[in-house]
Amino acid sequence: KAGVTQTPRYLIKTRGQQVTLSCSPISGHRSVSWYQQTPGQGLQFLFEYFSETQRNKGNFPGRFSGRQFSNSRSEMNVSTLELGDSALYLCASSKGQGAPYGELFFGEGSRLTVL
Amino acid sequence: TQLLEQSPQFLSIQEGENLTVYCNSSSVFSSLQWYRQEPGEGPVLLVTVVTGGEVKKLKRLTFQFGDARKDSSLHITAAQPGDTGLYLCAGPSGSGNTGKLIFGQGTTLQVKP
Repeated sequence: KAGVTQTPRYLIKTRGQQVTLSCSPISGHRSVSWYQQTPGQGLQFLFEYFSETQRNKGNFPGRFSGRQFSNSRSEMNVSTLELGDSALYLCASSKGQGAPYGELFFGEGSRLTVL
Repeated sequence: TQLLEQSPQFLSIQEGENLTVYCNSSSVFSSLQWYRQEPGEGPVLLVTVVTGGEVKKLKRLTFQFGDARKDSSLHITAAQPGDTGLYLCAGPSGSGNTGKLIFGQGTTLQVKP
């Protein structure tokens, strides 16, 4: 079955701009989580959506937001971009229920560079 | 605050050598997972360990969960260049069964032919 699809794969923005990233989860998965990966901080949890509701949130400023649609597809938005937002943004899907250990299936990521 | 510390951070070895990667915490985890990430790709789940003292084998990879469920290890026997990548341990934050995982900083493994 198809895996997790993230678009765009690469993008370059300038400080102050905003960006929207998209994620299509594995068919049947209702949970979508977003992570930021940087060389210095590693993988850090941004937020999780389950059935269109934010279920968990990490310690990121309000400039980072997300949403989930009725077909489980998710978007995340970063407003007023800063240089430090340059990172690989990873989306992961899971069943969310019935799978007891929270095993995640990751997309290939969206590489954001802020100039 | 739950933290996972991995060691070593970097490992460069020759093909055929054995290695062990450690993942330690002061907190108890209901389960721990190991992922491998290759350049330009997202992490891929290798295994989940659930029971204290559990040992799981995946071909040349052996995963162990500590008796107290605070640590885990990954042992690779006769490493091959295809094993090169970033190895990450992760555990659920809080009660589990959510997408919120805590990740270790990762171990970058390079296996030279």
